[in-house]
Amino acid sequence: QVQLQESGPGLVEPSETLSLSCDVSSYSIGSGYYWDWIRQRPGKGLEWIGSIYGRSGKTSFTPSLKSRIALSLDSPKNQISLKLKSVTAADTAFYYCARRTLAWYFDYWGQGTLVIVSS
Amino acid sequence: QTVVTQEPSFSVSPGGTVTLTCGLSSGSVSPNYYPSWYQQTPGQAPRTLIHTTNSRPSGVPDRFSGSILGNRAALTITGAQADDEGDYYCVLYVGSGLPMFGGGTKVTVL
Repeated sequence: QVQLQESGPGLVEPSETLSLSCDVSSYSIGSGYYWDWIRQRPGKGLEWIGSIYGRSGKTSFTPSLKSRIALSLDSPKNQISLKLKSVTAADTAFYYCARRTLAWYFDYWGQGTLVIVSS
Repeated sequence: QTVVTQEPSFSVSPGGTVTLTCGLSSGSVSPNYYPSWYQQTPGQAPRTLIHTTNSRPSGVPDRFSGSILGNRAALTITGAQADDEGDYYCVLYVGSGLPMFGGGTKVTVL
């Protein structure tokens, strides 16, 4: 059973960089699939923010965040990392990592981690 | 910019049937958009219910079914149960390597 677990600071100051990791178990991230990040602002819906393809490291991002976001793979650690720079209160959200198939659906999800942007 | 649309809310009686839909701000949804559906209950991560229009992952009860109805993707819950209460999201592949979530439908069973 593939498992994903997000981790990172729960509190980030405005204008700083949000950094999260997603640890994957029971599947090697370099073997394939897309590894996506989805966020959910408090009381709001789910928002896809970006993905990285496990075999090539090719990334895709939602247009509204493209200038601030970076994703990377750490194959030895079997981990995906998210960095979102210059955060504001609008970036306060639960952040989920998920595995996405070539048929464009998410088959495994992490439990999510709450990040609050506040001074 | 393309927007994926869903009904804001639905109410269904226990044992009843409800159909949620997922559309596009312009154009029709077809299987080429790879519609998928996710259930989220309070405080939980989303759970995959349906993928590629009408396929159910193992472990998902067969009271959940997916289809294309007219120009929209649809999720039907047949024989609703109390623990089906929650938010339901569809995802469509809208091109250019971008999956897009609908705004979600809140389902109440009462």
